Amino acid sequence: AQRVTQPEKLLSVFKGAPVELKCNYSYSGSPELFWYVQYSRQRLQLLLRHISRESIKGFTADLNKGETSFHLKKPFAQEEDSAMYYCALSGRTDKLIFGTGTRLQVFP
Amino acid sequence: DVKVTQSSRYLVKRTGEKVFLECVQDMDHENMFWYRQDPGLGLRLIYFSYDVKMKEKGDIPEGYSVSREKKERFSLILESASTNQTSMYLCATGRQVVNYGYTFGSGTRLTVV
Repeated sequence: AQRVTQPEKLLSVFKGAPVELKCNYSYSGSPELFWYVQYSRQRLQLLLRHISRESIKGFTADLNKGETSFHLKKPFAQEEDSAMYYCALSGRTDKLIFGTGTRLQVFP
Repeated sequence: DVKVTQSSRYLVKRTGEKVFLECVQDMDHENMFWYRQDPGLGLRLIYFSYDVKMKEKGDIPEGYSVSREKKERFSLILESASTNQTSMYLCATGRQVVNYGYTFGSGTRLTVV
């Protein structure tokens, strides 16, 4: 069965601290993975895609097939990074399976 | 820019009412999806559609139905609203989702009293 697990409901850090939001997945094939972000009072939007290996707003995520993980990282958190973050998986179909989300709070 | 428009931002309905949530997209995407978003549960897929008049059940279809008569419009229907359907409902569209992911609407917060 396809599943995405985000073990932390809430992650609180101070500005300038490193951030790592955890995402683990369960999928028998080769998954495509995504991170979505929802800022306060805004719609859910795509942050980055595994397939593009990009860095967006200083965030990166590496697919580790051995550990079945796709953790989101940023070396120095900013206050404007405070948001809800969702990890999502796409298998053979065009459906996305989402995790339960992690709320990131960055304190000044 | 893809625009995905959900007709209502907030709705309050009574138990037992039939409720229609509308979603319209303007970019000719084949795929459309309805999710509900609940704290601690994340996004759960209700129904999706890959083409006009096609629909498939997601993970939690009970109590819901959908309609897709035109490519740009995907409606979610609550046949008889219940209080446990109080939630944020999100519509999403996509083409080649594996490569590009989804574009979401701004959501409809439905309260059933």
